[in-house]
Amino acid sequence: DAGVTQSPTHLIKTRGQQVTLRCSPKSGHDTVSWYQQALGQGPQFIFQYYEEEERQRGNFPDRFSGHQFPNYSSELNVNALLLGDSALYLCASSYQQGNQPQHFGDGTRLSIL
Amino acid sequence: GQQLNQSPQSMFIQEGEDVSMNCTSSSIFNTWLWYKQDPGEGPVLLIALYKAGELTSNGRLTAQFGITRKDSFLNISASIPSDVGIYFCAGRSMDSNYQLIWGAGTKLIIKP
Repeated sequence: DAGVTQSPTHLIKTRGQQVTLRCSPKSGHDTVSWYQQALGQGPQFIFQYYEEEERQRGNFPDRFSGHQFPNYSSELNVNALLLGDSALYLCASSYQQGNQPQHFGDGTRLSIL
Repeated sequence: GQQLNQSPQSMFIQEGEDVSMNCTSSSIFNTWLWYKQDPGEGPVLLIALYKAGELTSNGRLTAQFGITRKDSFLNISASIPSDVGIYFCAGRSMDSNYQLIWGAGTKLIIKP
């Protein structure tokens, strides 16, 4: 039973570029949430997708966008990358929205030069 | 944005000692979760709490949902080397529109 998988594991980009990160949820899960984790801090909620729609959004600019596919997998897109976007990007899945515990992937480490 | 106050920031303990850490909030929470994160990995759920006063164990780990609904505690008994890592509390409240809010983590280091 595969858990949450994310790709790529590491990525290096330069300022102004665009990036797409991918996530496959745990088997049986239909809700995907994305988090940004800066070094030495807890994760910060970016947004959540359920039934292929963005359902909730944290305090992140429009440069951060996402998508969920019919098979429940999800993408996180970041445009016009800034140095401050360097972080670990975590994907978490759960069964339906609401209060179900979230299970995390190992993240994508994004470095902006 | 809304924050959880997690303490201590780090702990240096001897193997075999008990460990206690806690999280507090200015808002009432309806869910408290405790996660552990090892280097290079995502957070792993340890314990989930859904009711005020609830006390739940997972092996040597015990967590409690505070009666005021504004705090939670995690205890680890008889620590072993594999307990090393960063422990995060996270919670949901109406004020956060039920988004998961995280503490800054407690780094546990075991002295040889």
